[in-house]
Amino acid sequence: DIQLTQSPSFLSASIGDRVTITCRASLGISSYLAWYQQRPGKAPKLLIYAASTLQSGVPSRFSGSGSGTDFILTITSLQPEDFATYYCQHLTVFGPGTKVHIK
Amino acid sequence: QVLLQESGPGLKKPSETLSLTCTVSGGPVIKNGHFCSWIRQPPGKGLEWMGYIYYSGTTNYNPSLKSRVTMSVDTSKNQMSLKLTSVTAADTAVYYCAGGEYYFDYWGQGTLVTVSS
Repeated sequence: DIQLTQSPSFLSASIGDRVTITCRASLGISSYLAWYQQRPGKAPKLLIYAASTLQSGVPSRFSGSGSGTDFILTITSLQPEDFATYYCQHLTVFGPGTKVHIK
Repeated sequence: QVLLQESGPGLKKPSETLSLTCTVSGGPVIKNGHFCSWIRQPPGKGLEWMGYIYYSGTTNYNPSLKSRVTMSVDTSKNQMSLKLTSVTAADTAVYYCAGGEYYFDYWGQGTLVTVSS
């Protein structure tokens, strides 16, 4: 079974920072990877699918890259509403999450 | 725009059967080519996929839950349901229904279920 790991688990950042989160798959998964944002008390929200395609309505400061086993979510110029937990997902498997909080 | 709304009892006792409903508005309960899943999240923890129903009616369940979980669709009510038998405290979680074509495009707001005697 494929497993997903994320790093870091926690990330402290300031408004305006550039942030990168990594997701690694235990086997190659081509580009079949999505990223979700979950704010406290809210349902997850799809940000990026197929590794690099921005979901409609998601700000362009979010971007995704990678294929095979290594993937990156990048947030340029972090905004207050971006402090949340981010999950990667492949089919029925979710990564453990990366919590982005204010430095 | 498809909207999902979970409903069900917020409290269950150990060994009971948990039944939840996901009511879909803004479209058919499962669009052609789409699936609908249940995903849960224990307090303070990550997301766990429980299973899905494909628009064709095919189901697939998480092997860790397979013997306890059943998902079904009621097209007359535009609802999807989840049954989880023999619950324990480990089943305490927020339960989400979510769907899409290849990814989880749309989600309900979630419903908290606590298992406690």
